[in-house]
Amino acid sequence: SAVISQKPSRDICQRGTSLTIQCQVDSQVTMMFWYRQQPGQSLTLIATANQGSEATYESGFVIDKFPISRPNLTFSTLTVSNMSPEDSSIYLCSVKGSRVNTEAFFGQGTRLTVV
Amino acid sequence: AQSVTQLDSQVPVFEEAPVELRCNYSSSVSVYLFWYVQYPNQGLQLLLKYLSGSTLVKGINGFEAEFNKSQTSFHLRKPSVHISDTAEYFCAVSREGGGNKLTFGTGTQLKVEL
Repeated sequence: SAVISQKPSRDICQRGTSLTIQCQVDSQVTMMFWYRQQPGQSLTLIATANQGSEATYESGFVIDKFPISRPNLTFSTLTVSNMSPEDSSIYLCSVKGSRVNTEAFFGQGTRLTVV
Repeated sequence: AQSVTQLDSQVPVFEEAPVELRCNYSSSVSVYLFWYVQYPNQGLQLLLKYLSGSTLVKGINGFEAEFNKSQTSFHLRKPSVHISDTAEYFCAVSREGGGNKLTFGTGTQLKVEL
C-alpha cells in the first residue's frame, strides 16, 4: 500500500490567483495522477504525471491552466492557475504501481473554494 | 473508451438491512473493475476489485461484488449494513492489460439509518 499526503487539505482563494497543491508519497511510485471532483459529481482525471517526462493531460484540461511538476518518484504538485469560482472542487492525488493489475491509492484531497 | 453508470445517486437503508449498489459498464475491450468508498472529508479507499477468475469478489468491511459479463454489471452487495457504512461509493473501470487510467461512475450515496 501507499500513504499519500496532500497539502493543503482545504483553502479559500480569491479569483484570479493561483494555488499549488502538493502530493507526497511514502514510497517510490511510477505513476501519479491528478483528479478533480466537482461538487456532487464523480472524479475526472486531469492528467497523468510521470517522473522525467511532461505530464499527459486529458481532453478539456491544458497545461497553462493546470501546470504539473514531478521532480522525483515520491512527489508531485498541481497548480490551479488564474482561478475562477468554477474551479471550486476537490482535487485528489492518486498513485499506482507499474504493474497493470495493481490498485490505485488516493490522497485525502484538497477542498478548494474560489470566491 | 470505457464508461460507467451508477443508476442510483442515493440509497437509503435501515441498519442491519441488506443493500445492493448497482454498477453497469460499457467497454469494447476487457476491463478490470473496482469499487471505492469515500467517507466524508476523506480520500477514496479500495473496497474490492475484479481482475480475473472467480466472478464473486469479496472485499473489506463485509462487502462483495459479482462480475456479470453478459450483463456488463458489477453490483456491490452487503447482507447487513452498519451505520458506519454511510459514505459515497464509486464504481470504476480500467482497461485490462495495460490501461492505468480509471474511469469512475457518478457515485452512490449510501445513507444508513437507525
